[in-house]
Amino acid sequence: QKEVEQNSGPLSVPEGAIASLNCTYSDRGSQSFFWYRQYSGKSPELIMFIYSNGDKEDGRFTAQLNKASQYVSLLIRDSQPSDSATYLCAVISSGYGGSQGNLIFGKGTKLSVKP
Amino acid sequence: DTAVSQTPKYLVTQMGNDKSIKCEQNLGHDTMYWYKQDSKKFLKIMFSYNNKELIINETVPNRFSPKSPDKAHLNLHINSLELGDSAVYFCASSPRDRRAEAFFGQGTRLTVV
Repeated sequence: QKEVEQNSGPLSVPEGAIASLNCTYSDRGSQSFFWYRQYSGKSPELIMFIYSNGDKEDGRFTAQLNKASQYVSLLIRDSQPSDSATYLCAVISSGYGGSQGNLIFGKGTKLSVKP
Repeated sequence: DTAVSQTPKYLVTQMGNDKSIKCEQNLGHDTMYWYKQDSKKFLKIMFSYNNKELIINETVPNRFSPKSPDKAHLNLHINSLELGDSAVYFCASSPRDRRAEAFFGQGTRLTVV
């Protein structure tokens, strides 16, 4: 079973700080990586995707990918209380057992931004 | 103008019963999914359905069966419900060539007592 690993947290940061969320994956064949945000009691929503090594910036969010280390991260600059949510890392599986081509999610990291 | 809608939002039922959850999407997507999110918030794919092709996650018990009357609907039927089936079930849809750009429904919280 291909896996995606995340620290479940909670990760607590003060308002205005940088929140750093990390993810590792086991499937070396994975080419596409995604970050979803899930507010408590709500459904996941896609916020970032990255396909190439390096950094990708979108507003206050930066996704970082290192395929050699099988590591992907999400940085949130100037964190706001409204960023408090669970952040799910996901990869497209190249695997087997009915999962190929589908999203495989990590267990998520709960982020709390304190005012 | 809801994109992906599922009903009911909450479902409480007894062990052994058979139940269904409905899902509809108005995005014109050709791939639909069912996910299960357990009490530890682990989100795991159960099925994907695309143009009459059903891909089943091998870990899903055969008590669970998706039914697609048309491209915009993918319903989930569950037979002989067990306590361990209690979870939040999410329907989602995406374009076939952009599977990660999935839009999720609001979820159905199933409680088996």
